[in-house]
Amino acid sequence: DIQMTQSPSTLSASVGDRVTITCRATESISRWLAWYQHKPGKAPKVLIYQTSTLESGVPSRFSGSGSGTEFTLTISSLQPDDVATYYCQQYNKFSLTFGGGTRVDIK
Amino acid sequence: EVQLLESGGDLVQPGGSLRLSCAASGFTFGEYSMAWIRQAPGKGLQWVSCIFGSGFDPHYSDSVKGRFTISRDNSKNTLYLEMNALSVEDTAVYYCAKGPYNSCVNYYDFWGQGTLVTVSS
Repeated sequence: DIQMTQSPSTLSASVGDRVTITCRATESISRWLAWYQHKPGKAPKVLIYQTSTLESGVPSRFSGSGSGTEFTLTISSLQPDDVATYYCQQYNKFSLTFGGGTRVDIK
Repeated sequence: EVQLLESGGDLVQPGGSLRLSCAASGFTFGEYSMAWIRQAPGKGLQWVSCIFGSGFDPHYSDSVKGRFTISRDNSKNTLYLEMNALSVEDTAVYYCAKGPYNSCVNYYDFWGQGTLVTVSS
C-alpha cells in the first residue's frame, strides 16, 4: 500500500497567519490527492481534489499544490472556523490511503 | 441536498457480527460509487470498502477482506456493511461516503456523520 505521511501532526497559529501542511507519499501518485477538513462530531468535508482543484463552496484561502510524492495544503489567512484536523488522501490506486492528520488550532 | 445517514453501530463482543446501514438522499444513488471509511479512537481515517453504482465488483482493505461484505440496494437508496468475526481492532466510527462519479478509485465528496462500533467483552 502507498503510505501517506503528513507533517506537522499538530500546529498552532494566530488568526491571519499563513499555514502550510505537507503530505508525502511513498511512491508517485501523480496528482491524485485530496484534502479533507474534519471537525469533531461532524462529517469530514472535502476541500481540494486532484491536488489543486477547490471543491465548490470552499473558501479561496485554501489552496493545494504538488505532484508525484510531495504535496501541500495552504491556508493563506487562518480563521477561527478553520480549527479542525486536516487529512490528505491518495486515490492513485488501491488500497486508498489517508495521511495521519494534522490538527490545527488557534494560538 | 445530499444526505448520508448511517445507523446500526453498537457494542458487540469479539467474534460477533453487525450490519451497518447508510440511507442516502439528494442524488441519484445508483449512479455513484459508495464507500465505508472508519476512524478508530484517537487514530486517523482508514478506507474500508467500496462498491460501484451497479453493486458489482466490491473492493476491500486487507484488514477486513473475508470478514466484511459491502452491498447496496439501489431501490432503497441504502448502502450496507455486513461485519463478521469482529475484533477489538475494528472498534471505530464508521463513515459512509459518496464518490463524485462511478469509480472506486476516488476521493469522496460527501460523508455521513458516522456510526460508532465498539467491539469489547
